[in-house]
Amino acid sequence: KAGVTQTPRYLIKTRGQQVTLSCSPISGHRSVSWYQQTPGQGLQFLFEYFSETQRNKGNFPGRFSGRQFSNSRSEMNVSTLELGDSALYLCASSDRPQAGSSYEQYFGPGTRLTVT
Amino acid sequence: TQLLEQSPQFLSIQEGENLTVYCNSSSVFSSLQWYRQEPGEGPVLLVTVVTGGEVKKLKRLTFQFGDARKDSSLHITAAQPGDTGLYLCAESGGSQGNLIFGKGTKLSVKP
Repeated sequence: KAGVTQTPRYLIKTRGQQVTLSCSPISGHRSVSWYQQTPGQGLQFLFEYFSETQRNKGNFPGRFSGRQFSNSRSEMNVSTLELGDSALYLCASSDRPQAGSSYEQYFGPGTRLTVT
Repeated sequence: TQLLEQSPQFLSIQEGENLTVYCNSSSVFSSLQWYRQEPGEGPVLLVTVVTGGEVKKLKRLTFQFGDARKDSSLHITAAQPGDTGLYLCAESGGSQGNLIFGKGTKLSVKP
């Protein structure tokens, strides 16, 4: 089975711009979660999508949004970029059937976003 | 919200040495996962521990879950340069079971 893929791998943007990142989960996985990883804060949960619906959301401002398509591929969008948005954005897929159940996640290699 | 504390934050050792890293919480874990993340890659799941007192082995890695399920340790025997990476613990402590991660232990094993 192919693993989780993320595109692009690297991105440089300017403050105020917006960016869209893409994630293709493992075939058959319907849950996709997004995380932001920074040296200071570590891995922080952004949101989870399951069957095209946002099932869970972390504590991030509304500038961070996402969506999921019928083929389970997901995108996340960050609008009005700030310097502090520079981070590694990781996507993870799982076959977790319902919120609240324990599960194992499989991560992609991430998209390294630099905001200048 | 549950907070996971990992220690030490950084660890630099020579090849062949043994080491232990820790993951602690003030609350009881329902289950705990350990991941390893290599530079430029996403985290890779190593193990999931569920039962208090549980011990799991993965080659030279030994994972232990505390009896009270509030702490866990990862012991590496005879470390090798290939063990270099960021070791993360994670728990399903979010409001709907999303994973909460510790900040990790950055391990460097020098040849």
